[in-house]
Amino acid sequence: KNQVEQSPQSLIILEGKNCTLQCNYTVSPFSNLRWYKQDTGRGPVSLTIMTFSENTKSNGRYTATLDADTKQSSLHITASQLSDSASYICVVIVYNQGGKLIFGQGTELSVKP
Amino acid sequence: GAGVSQSPSNKVTEKGKDVELRCDPISGHTALYWYRQSLGQGLEFLIYFQGNSAPDKSGLPSDRFSAERTGGSVSTLTIQRTQQEDSAVYLCASSRRDLQNIQYFGAGTRLSVL
Repeated sequence: KNQVEQSPQSLIILEGKNCTLQCNYTVSPFSNLRWYKQDTGRGPVSLTIMTFSENTKSNGRYTATLDADTKQSSLHITASQLSDSASYICVVIVYNQGGKLIFGQGTELSVKP
Repeated sequence: GAGVSQSPSNKVTEKGKDVELRCDPISGHTALYWYRQSLGQGLEFLIYFQGNSAPDKSGLPSDRFSAERTGGSVSTLTIQRTQQEDSAVYLCASSRRDLQNIQYFGAGTRLSVL
């Protein structure tokens, strides 16, 4: 069964600190993996897109890693800001299956001053 | 438009009524997607339109749900005889061609069925 699991479910950190969010998946066949940021009451916004051959991709203070062998991805946030408080969703696209994205449950991140 | 627009932003309806949710994708985007986000749940795929191809309806939970996309642009998601379990945020997204491009999401329609 195609599944995406994220951990932790929620996380509280102090402003300026770093954090790492985890994503494990059992999706096959794999096309690519994405991390989205969803602010409360808003639609998800894409942070990174990673294909099978990519190990690391950065977008500002966000760095995503992908290990296609172990089917694990992480999102590292550096020098967190209050505006980073949001839900971070890991999404895996099934190869050649139209609009079928397999979504993780998300990690709720709260950055405190 | 500048982004994906959804309306209404909030909809409260009585059980058994029909509702229509509207999505206006980014101009020029040929791919359009509908998802549902229930409280405490992840996003759930509903339906995918790609150009003039037959839509992928495999995510629709029951025959009470239907969607159409007129003129390759605006899409309407219709839920007939609404049930309380239909209460959720319904999100629409569009992308330039297909899933290989970035999806841009609307803010969603929050549906509450009383």
